[in-house]
Amino acid sequence: DSGVTQTPKHLITATGQRVTLRCSPRSGDLSVYWYQQSLDQGLQFLIQYYNGEERAKGNILERFSAQQFPDLHSELNLSSLELGDSALYFCASSPRPGLLNNEQFFGPGTRLTVL
Amino acid sequence: GNSVTQMEGPVTLSEEAFLTINCTYTATGYPSLFWYVQYPGEGLQLLLKATKADDKGSNKGFEATYRKETTSFHLEKGSVQVSDSAVYFCALRWGNSNSGYALNFGKGTSLLVTP
Repeated sequence: DSGVTQTPKHLITATGQRVTLRCSPRSGDLSVYWYQQSLDQGLQFLIQYYNGEERAKGNILERFSAQQFPDLHSELNLSSLELGDSALYFCASSPRPGLLNNEQFFGPGTRLTVL
Repeated sequence: GNSVTQMEGPVTLSEEAFLTINCTYTATGYPSLFWYVQYPGEGLQLLLKATKADDKGSNKGFEATYRKETTSFHLEKGSVQVSDSAVYFCALRWGNSNSGYALNFGKGTSLLVTP
């Protein structure tokens, strides 16, 4: 158990809908990262937040957005869902940037199925 | 850009065989390098890491050496077990303490160890 929790574990929805994925980082970690794992694209970095602020951005679609709240949990919002958005979405957390051993610890993931 | 290329799988080995999974990277500067493992139905777990050239990461009998001259970080294990069956991901960390960090992953190599 990495200490990172994600809910829900599974999500099934229809095209055009909007969903919210939630992540709670390890106790004491200030950074949260979102990744998407799909069969065709592999594991891709989406976005990072540190202490409530967006810090790094990867291949995140405009239909997707995220935020980190004062209690440090994060939510990833996916809207106007398409079949191709079906994937496993991972959240990871790490201590503050700049630390030498700034490892990322991954949650168990949320499996999104868009029908 | 920063990218990782790892050998395609699946790799099938008999128990106690020697394992090598090749990983090469392209990056500006000298990023930290990681191997993550994903067991069936689970999230990613950090297996080992190296933060600078010639560093050797090791864990649970697995080893990988950061080779700057060949831009490689090959994963090795002298004697695999059935319980090592999983998908292995090579990754590099990019960014800085101001903009934030992220991991770029290879496509993953599926390993199946048979008794």
